Order: sequence, then structure tokens, then C-alpha cells
Amino acid sequence: GESVGLHLPTLSVQEGDNSIINCAYSNSASDYFIWYKQESGKGPQFIIDIRSNMDKRQGQRVTVLLNKTVKHLSLQIAATQPGDSAVYFCAENGAGTASKLTFGTGTRLQVTL
Amino acid sequence: NAGVTQTPKFQVLKTGQSMTLQCAQDMNHNSMYWYRQDPGMGLRLIYYSASEGTTDKGEVPNGYNVSRLNKREFSLRLESAAPSQTSVYFCASSWTSGSYEQFFGPGTRLTVL
Repeated sequence: GESVGLHLPTLSVQEGDNSIINCAYSNSASDYFIWYKQESGKGPQFIIDIRSNMDKRQGQRVTVLLNKTVKHLSLQIAATQPGDSAVYFCAENGAGTASKLTFGTGTRLQVTL
Repeated sequence: NAGVTQTPKFQVLKTGQSMTLQCAQDMNHNSMYWYRQDPGMGLRLIYYSASEGTTDKGEVPNGYNVSRLNKREFSLRLESAAPSQTSVYFCASSWTSGSYEQFFGPGTRLTVL
């Protein structure tokens, strides 16, 4: 398998720093948002989700923030590690069902030593 | 527990040829999905199967057919491949069609000449 290709926005972060990956979503009717991580050569992997009745949710080293006013989602990764290097996608349930997620184009996170 | 497996990993076809991509999951999930991933674009849903015996179109179903062979297996068929179908194909599964956490396979890179 392969990750998405050549022209992704890229965020370079030094190991140990915090990373913030942003996503603008399109459908104001979306009420569920998910972040996926895709490492090179692998399929996407679920990281964290958030419902529209929340504005913040925390996981292990990750926090997702939701701003419905400006239709913006962010993923914060604390103390970024080399293993965090990957492409990160946000997804929304624009059609109102979990079966039909709309995925963003992705951001590549590069962790430098 | 292998999760979601896909075969083949790589395939090259000539325009007009047909082939079937295979997907199997061993997590006893009810719902399964087929996506394609193209450079600069997010994952796009081709078809999904909410439960054994049902299939529904996603965002980009044209040129594809699917079969939910049993609870474990969900295949994607290209009857007459076109260069526009060159892509990386991912299969995914989830507990139910209402579950937002989808588990992805490693992908199949398909090139149509």
C-alpha cells in the first residue's frame, strides 16, 4: 500500500515539540469528525474523533479542537516523536452517516531530530 | 488476528482488462468499504456494505462492481479497466454502519496502462 502522493502540505516539526495540524471542513451539517494517520506503505489508522456538541477532546498525547463557527478542526500532538511522521487526514460525516465519510486531502508531518 | 487483508498488493492492467480486488477481515465486523486514494485528493468511497447481503454506492461507483461474498469478504471488480482507475485502493471494515472507527487494509496499488 501507499500513502497519498506528491503535493501535500507539509509540516516540519522538531522532535519533542508540539505539532498542530489544521483542517477546514466544508459541510455545516457534519456532526462527527475523525482524524486518521497514514504511515508510508500502510492504510489509514484511526486516531481520535469528536462530536459536534464538543469543542475539545483529548486522547493519549493528542487533542482535537473543533470550531464550528469557522468550520475548523485541528489535531494537536504533544511532544512529537519520529514515529508520528505520517500523513494526517481529517474526515467528516457530511452525509449524516458513518458509512459515507468525506476525507480531507491530508497533511504530511515530518519530524526532524 | 490479521485485521483487514487485501490481495494483490500491486497490479498492472492494460486498458479493457478486468480484475477483482479481494478483501477479507477477521474482526467479525458487519460493515465493509472500498475506497480509492489519488494524489492530492482524500480517500473517496466507491462502494460499501452495511451488512452481509447489502451493498450501496458511494461517491465514485462508476466502473466498479462489488460483491459481499460473506461476512468476512468484500470484493471489488473492475470489468473493463481504464487509465482513470489507476489509483491505490483501500478496503476497510467497521463494527456496524453506524461505527465511525474504520479499520483499513494495507492497500492495492493498481496501474492501468
